[in-house]
Formats: sequence, C-alpha cells, structure tokens
Amino acid sequence: DAGVIQSPRHEVTEMGQEVTLRCKPISGHDYLFWYRQTMMRGLELLIYFNNNVPIDDSGMPEDRFSAKMPNASFSTLKIQPSEPRDSAVYFCASSSVGASEQYFGPGTRLTVT
Amino acid sequence: TQLLEQSPQFLSIQEGENLTVYCNSSSVFSSLQWYRQEPGEGPVLLVTVVTGGEVKKLKRLTFQFGDARKDSSLHITAAQPGDTGLYLCAGAGYDYKLSFGAGTTVTVRA
Repeated sequence: DAGVIQSPRHEVTEMGQEVTLRCKPISGHDYLFWYRQTMMRGLELLIYFNNNVPIDDSGMPEDRFSAKMPNASFSTLKIQPSEPRDSAVYFCASSSVGASEQYFGPGTRLTVT
Repeated sequence: TQLLEQSPQFLSIQEGENLTVYCNSSSVFSSLQWYRQEPGEGPVLLVTVVTGGEVKKLKRLTFQFGDARKDSSLHITAAQPGDTGLYLCAGAGYDYKLSFGAGTTVTVRA
C-alpha cells in the first residue's frame, strides 16, 4: 500500500490567496483526519470524517477554513483567504477503526507571506 | 493548554544511555498511543496501550500505561542515534478523536 498521500508537499503563497491541500487516504480506511502542526500549538485536530461525512469540525479555526470529502479516496482542505498565521504543516491521517492506529501522510508545509 | 503534558520537552543523551519520557493527564483515555516523528515526515505509530497497568515492549522500547489510564511512560534502553526524533503521546477519547501532547525531542549523540 502507498500509504496516505498528500499534495503538494510545499506551498508558498501570498496573503489573501486561496490555498487547497489534498489528501488520498489509505484504501479501505473509513476515517480521515486533518491536523495542523505548529511550534507554538503542537499537533491540533482540525476536522475528521467518517464514511465521507464530516463528524466533528470543532477544531477548524475560523470560517476561512473548509474541508470536503467528495468520495472515499479524496479529501481537500481549503483556506480562503489565507493569512500569515496559517503558516504551518498540515497533516492528513486515516484510520480503519476510529482513533486507534492512525496513519499519517508526509504533510504539506504551508507558508503564507 | 495541552490535555496531555509531556516531559521533558528536550532530551539529549549519549549513545548507549537509557532514557524515559513521561506523558501525564488529568483525563482518562480509552487508549493511549505513542508516535515518533522525524523531520519532514508525519508521525508514525509505535504502540497502542489499552488496559490500565499494561506494559508493552518493542525491541529496546518499553511502554507502560498507568493503572488509572491517565498517564504513560516510554523507556528506551541503550539508545542509538536512530532513536533520534520527536516522540508524541496521544490520548484517544471515546469519540475517535486523539489529543496529542506537545512532544519530547530526543537527540542521541554517537
């Protein structure tokens, strides 16, 4: 199995631009999680899906952030408009049995200037 | 405020020495997981402990879950440079969400 795939690996954009991060979970996993990691706040859960349905988005920082999962093999996290404080590494993870044994992708390092 | 407190924040030791990382919380978890993260990569699961008092061994790594399922420790025997990385503990709630500690950065010098 290829593992969780994320793209792009690096993204540099200017403040005010739209950013879209992409994730392909491990085939057969029915849970998908989006996390953000910063030095100040560590690893934070933003939102998670079960069977393509958003279950808990309480970690999404504000309305500028949105996430979708149109099918079992693809999810996006969008930031519009982006701000410098959104600079972080964004991880996608998937799991077949909820919280146990989450498999993380390599992350997308986002820099907003 | 982190739900899980990890200590120490940084640890630098010589190859061959032992080390212990602690993970403490006031909350009870259904399970607790330990991950290791290397620069430029995502966290990789090392172990999941479920039962209070449980001890699991993975080669030179020993993981223990507290009796009350609120705390855990990771002990590495005879550390090697390959053990260098960020060690994260994560508590699992009954809602499938993981709460991560801030992490312990371990550096093993050759």
